[in-house]
Order: sequence, then structure tokens, then C-alpha cells
Amino acid sequence: GENVEQHPSTLSVQEGDSAVIKCTYSDSASNYFPWYKQELGKRPQLIIDIRSNVGEKKDQRIAVTLNKTAKHFSLHITETQPEDSAVYFCAASIVQGAQKLVFGQGTRLTINP
Amino acid sequence: NAGVTQTPKFQVLKTGQSMTLQCAQDMNHNSMYWYRQDPGMGLRLIYYSASEGTTDKGEVPNGYNVSRLNKREFSLRLESAAPSQTSVYFCASSENDRVDEKLFFGSGTQLSVL
Repeated sequence: GENVEQHPSTLSVQEGDSAVIKCTYSDSASNYFPWYKQELGKRPQLIIDIRSNVGEKKDQRIAVTLNKTAKHFSLHITETQPEDSAVYFCAASIVQGAQKLVFGQGTRLTINP
Repeated sequence: NAGVTQTPKFQVLKTGQSMTLQCAQDMNHNSMYWYRQDPGMGLRLIYYSASEGTTDKGEVPNGYNVSRLNKREFSLRLESAAPSQTSVYFCASSENDRVDEKLFFGSGTQLSVL
């Protein structure tokens, strides 16, 4: 079945620096790649997504890039702020009967003041 | 508009006990989901309901049953709890079951099985 690998599992950066989280997927038919953010003790929330017909998407300080050939996609956060501290999950769509999402293992991002 | 509400927030069970996790959404969504979250394993789909009256297995359905009571409510039942079911459980909903629909999550249930 589809496998989504996410790295690193933990990431610590200085406030103001950039953070990059990477995911790889195995199913070449995957065509939708969302990122969810989960702050401590709270529910996951969608922050950005990308479809396979697009190579990059930006929303203010966050961006996602997709390399379909290499089957990997990345989340980039620039000018990090303390409120960016959270666990981030990537996901990729798979087709198993109906289309579903498979999530990566999560990255705990800590922004140091 | 509360979004997705799930109860209880915390539960401790003994091995072999049963319980039902409740979930309700007030966004008139057609599709609802149950996920479990374990350290280092991300979110894994247990069961989902694409629309009222239908339910299907996800990645890890063993040991669980679900009921789509009506359009608003989707419950998850553990008939005979096992320590391996210790986890954080999230209910979610989406407007329909297209894979690119935004998922709206509940606040989670922390379940410990002793």
C-alpha cells in the first residue's frame, strides 16, 4: 500500500529562521498533498495543500513544493515565529476503492526565541 | 457553530471493557471519519462514512465498529478494549468524500486501556 515517509521527526530552529519538512510517497497515482498543523493539545487543521498539476504553492510565510518525478513534497516556513511551534503532518492521496489520505508520521517543530 | 464535537475527552478502560466514542458535526457535512493518532505513526484511518447510511473500513479497523446514526452523528465502539487501543482518537468530517476536501477535526479523545 501507499507509504508516506516524513522527515525529520523533530526540528528545532531559531525564531526568524526558515524550517523545511520533507515527505516522500510511493504511489505514482497520488495527486493531492495536504499539510495539517496540530498545536499542542489541539486538533489538526489544514494549513496548505497542493495538487499534482502544480509544482509550488505559497500562502504568506508558508509554501509547499512538489517533485512528482522524485515523489517528494516539502513544506517551507520562512521567518518562523513562536506560534509556528506545532506538529506538522503531511499526507498523500491513494486509491483503494475510494480515494483516501495516508498521513506521514509527523514532525514536531519547535521555534526557539 | 461548534464544528465537530466529540466526547468524552478522556477515558480510562480496563482490558475487556467496552465503550462508545461519540462524534457530532453541525456543518451539514456528508462524510465523517475516525482516526487514531499514535506517537511516531501519524494519523491512521479506522473507519469512515462517505454519506449517511454507509460505512467502510480504513487502514486499521480491527477491534472497532462504527455507526452512522444520522447525518450529524458517527460513533466508534470498542467492544472489548485492548492495551493496543490506547491512543488519541479524532473524529473528522468533510463536505463530501472527495480526497481533496478539507478535513475538520474534533478535539480528540485520549483513551488509555490498562
